[in-house]
Amino acid sequence: GNSVTQMEGPVTLSEEAFLTINCTYTATGYPSLFWYVQYPGEGLQLLLKATKADDKGSNKGFEATYRKETTSFHLEKGSVQVSDSAVYFCALSDRTGNQFYFGTGTSLTVIP
Amino acid sequence: ETGVTQSPTHLIKTRGQQVTLRCSSQSGHNTVSWYQQALGQGPQFIFQYYREEENGRGNFPPRFSGLQFPNYSSELNVNALELDDSALYLCASSLGRLGMNTEAFFGQGTRLTVV
Repeated sequence: GNSVTQMEGPVTLSEEAFLTINCTYTATGYPSLFWYVQYPGEGLQLLLKATKADDKGSNKGFEATYRKETTSFHLEKGSVQVSDSAVYFCALSDRTGNQFYFGTGTSLTVIP
Repeated sequence: ETGVTQSPTHLIKTRGQQVTLRCSSQSGHNTVSWYQQALGQGPQFIFQYYREEENGRGNFPPRFSGLQFPNYSSELNVNALELDDSALYLCASSLGRLGMNTEAFFGQGTRLTVV
């Protein structure tokens, strides 16, 4: 079956620190991989995606590389800001295309 | 900016009651999916509607049902509410199935509390 496992939080970092949130997946076939972000009181927003092995998704300074050999899609940012405080969800969609499989989310708090 | 709107934003119901949640999809999108997000958890897929037909269902009992209308808006109905149904219910719209070039846009959700 399909599933996503991501690093448990909460994560607290100082401003300008380096961020890594680990994500690994199990899937049949070749899924597309996503990172979504959820700010307090809001729905999910797409942060970045990658649709095939070795693709790198990037947006707003965040990056993640689709690693088929390690079935991973780790999220990184070189220098976090207070405004990055949110919950981050790793997700996959398989080739049926009718649903996302989400991880449990990682809460990030960035302190000045 | 997402054009997916959900109503109501918050709702309190009593155990055993029925509830209807509504979702207006982004203009031009013909596919709507519903997710349940329990506190501290990731969203769980309930079902998807594509051009008014159910197109996939997650591991939810039949008391969770839905509709999609000709304008592609959608309803989620839950009968015989249980305390564990308390969650944030998210609607996502897309143009066709999720895939390499299809992005899903999420609404802000409806917070349902069952007491």
